[in-house]
Amino acid sequence: ETGVTQTPRHLVMGMTNKKSLKCEQHLGHNAMYWYKQSAKKPLELMFVYNFKEQTENNSVPSRFSPECPNSSHLFLHLHTLQPEDSALYLCASSQDLGQRISGNTIYFGEGSWLTVV
Amino acid sequence: GENVEQHPSTLSVQEGDSAVIKCTYSDSASNYFPWYKQELGKGPQLIIDIRSNVGEKKDQRIAVTLNKTAKHFSLHITETQPEDSAVYFCAASGGRGSTLGRLYFGRGTQLTVWP
Repeated sequence: ETGVTQTPRHLVMGMTNKKSLKCEQHLGHNAMYWYKQSAKKPLELMFVYNFKEQTENNSVPSRFSPECPNSSHLFLHLHTLQPEDSALYLCASSQDLGQRISGNTIYFGEGSWLTVV
Repeated sequence: GENVEQHPSTLSVQEGDSAVIKCTYSDSASNYFPWYKQELGKGPQLIIDIRSNVGEKKDQRIAVTLNKTAKHFSLHITETQPEDSAVYFCAASGGRGSTLGRLYFGRGTQLTVWP
């Protein structure tokens, strides 16, 4: 139990489907993140939210649409994805964005395995 | 931004032996260096971290060392056990050229411990 819960754990969707990934954190944190993890590639930061406001969009295609209704919940809405979008999508949270002087400890959920067919 | 290199990409050791994973970073102002362990089918879990005002930190069988001059840090696992088998990621943050709060990850090391 990491304090960051992701659902569903596995999702198979067609290229014309619309689906959503959900993340909930029980740590009282204010910052939440979406990462993409593909085979043979480093972890890719997608989006950052701090106090419900998006602070970073790492050039993510518009077929991925994040939503952060409050500091505890984060969604990733998926629409007209491509097979190359198949990956493990990881949600994470941290107390806030931290200070340069002290660093920022980030806690990950177990991930949602997405397969686009 | 920060650039983190991690070596080796794969590491196999016999149970009971030690394992060492090394990372280098590019931004001399980076000041926070966590290590994550990712078991098969799970998300990365923080196992140890070190800040730039400390040269070494230990937690039971794992330790991390930091050499700020050379801009590298290492994870040491002693008396390895089969359950240590996983992918290990290093990360760095806090540098002047990096985005506040962002972790810059290495590409990971697949550690296999043979019984």
